[in-house]
Amino acid sequence: DTAVSQTPKYLVTQMGNDKSIKCEQNLGHDTMYWYKQDSKKFLKIMFSYNNKELIINETVPNRFSPKSPDKAHLNLHINSLELGDSAVYFCASSLTWGKAELFFGEGSRLTVL
Amino acid sequence: AQSVTQLGSHVSVSEGALVLLRCNYSSSVPPYLFWYVQYPNQGLQLLLKYTSAATLVKGINGFEAEFKKSETSFHLTKPSAHMSDAAEYFCAVSFDNQGGKLIFGQGTELSVKP
Repeated sequence: DTAVSQTPKYLVTQMGNDKSIKCEQNLGHDTMYWYKQDSKKFLKIMFSYNNKELIINETVPNRFSPKSPDKAHLNLHINSLELGDSAVYFCASSLTWGKAELFFGEGSRLTVL
Repeated sequence: AQSVTQLGSHVSVSEGALVLLRCNYSSSVPPYLFWYVQYPNQGLQLLLKYTSAATLVKGINGFEAEFKKSETSFHLTKPSAHMSDAAEYFCAVSFDNQGGKLIFGQGTELSVKP
């Protein structure tokens, strides 16, 4: 049973399209995150939700809209995709907001053509 | 400003040799420090963490790291490299009141030669 699972693992799409990535964790954690890894493998936080409430929005363009229907799920919707959005997007979770020990999913590689 | 610097984007060692991956941080407040490993096409896995208890921290797969406040360092070591250790290693830092916001270093790719 995968602790943090993301779908899809790969997305290839055209500029201007809209796409979504879904994430689910079965660890019973309260807090979930989206991190972006660029082509140089640099990782940066995008969003964090604690018990369905948005806690961190790290100056991400508003084309990116996270949604947390419940504390086990965190989805990421991206509108009007741009070339620069090509990256690997990682979902992660932690036990509570104060705990920075993160469990990561396997990533979703987005390629925008 | 809070930041993490990993010295060397690529480190190559022979199987059985010592592994040393360097990490320095910049912060005016006490940090929590982490090392994560990323195998090809996989997510990140926690190797070890420093959370203000013992300064020498032991992790999984024989890795350990020592927190040196005077040097603002948290270098990762392993006495004897295995081929299976080949991966990307990330040092990261977090702080009180920032929850799970990890600030990552640039990563170090470890290659292990037979």
